[in-house]
Amino acid sequence: AQKITQTQPGMFVQEKEAVTLDCTYDTSDQSYGLFWYKQPSSGEMIFLIYQGSYDEQNATEGRYSLNFQKARKSANLVISASQLGDSAMYFCAMREGSGSARQLTFGSGTQLTVLP
Amino acid sequence: GAGVSQSPSNKVTEKGKDVELRCDPISGHTALYWYRQRLGQGLEFLIYFQGNSAPDKSGLPSDRFSAERTGESVSTLTIQRTQQEDSAVYLCASSEIMGLGNIQYFGAGTRLSVL
Repeated sequence: AQKITQTQPGMFVQEKEAVTLDCTYDTSDQSYGLFWYKQPSSGEMIFLIYQGSYDEQNATEGRYSLNFQKARKSANLVISASQLGDSAMYFCAMREGSGSARQLTFGSGTQLTVLP
Repeated sequence: GAGVSQSPSNKVTEKGKDVELRCDPISGHTALYWYRQRLGQGLEFLIYFQGNSAPDKSGLPSDRFSAERTGESVSTLTIQRTQQEDSAVYLCASSEIMGLGNIQYFGAGTRLSVL
């Protein structure tokens, strides 16, 4: 089974509107972390936001927020007030376990295009 | 430098040749990771190093792949007898061990093309 599922290969949004990128995950661990990264056409992976499994509040970082629904195992990224520079590939990732460095498992990504 | 540095940025090689890819992590980051990204796909974990512990090599696809790290600094990923299916972008990341989420920060990657 896929550990990270991103069901939207491509999304379009009008500039200044909000958009939600979906991510569901599968793990039997109680302790885990969820991450979103942005990958522009230049190729670099840019960290956006992190949510720990024990965090009771949804994470927010500027225009990014993570809609964390633990019972449904979903961690959707919400981008408010979209900008043309938000056009990029977005990856959801999970780190299972805690207490030390662990590798990330990535989804297949969502290509977001912001329209003027 | 402030970020993760990878070199070369691009590498073109012939099938059967060996290649070495280099990663210089963020200063003070004790964990270092290598991932591979094939065209249009997500990242696949290859290997990670954490301090002086034995590396986790569970993601290496074959024995043609190996990696080394000197202390808590530079790492080299070596691919021997390259094959066309090795063509991909190889990304390196580093993180602290203790810290919120062990957030991994990535370099710009090395784009490997095997002809």
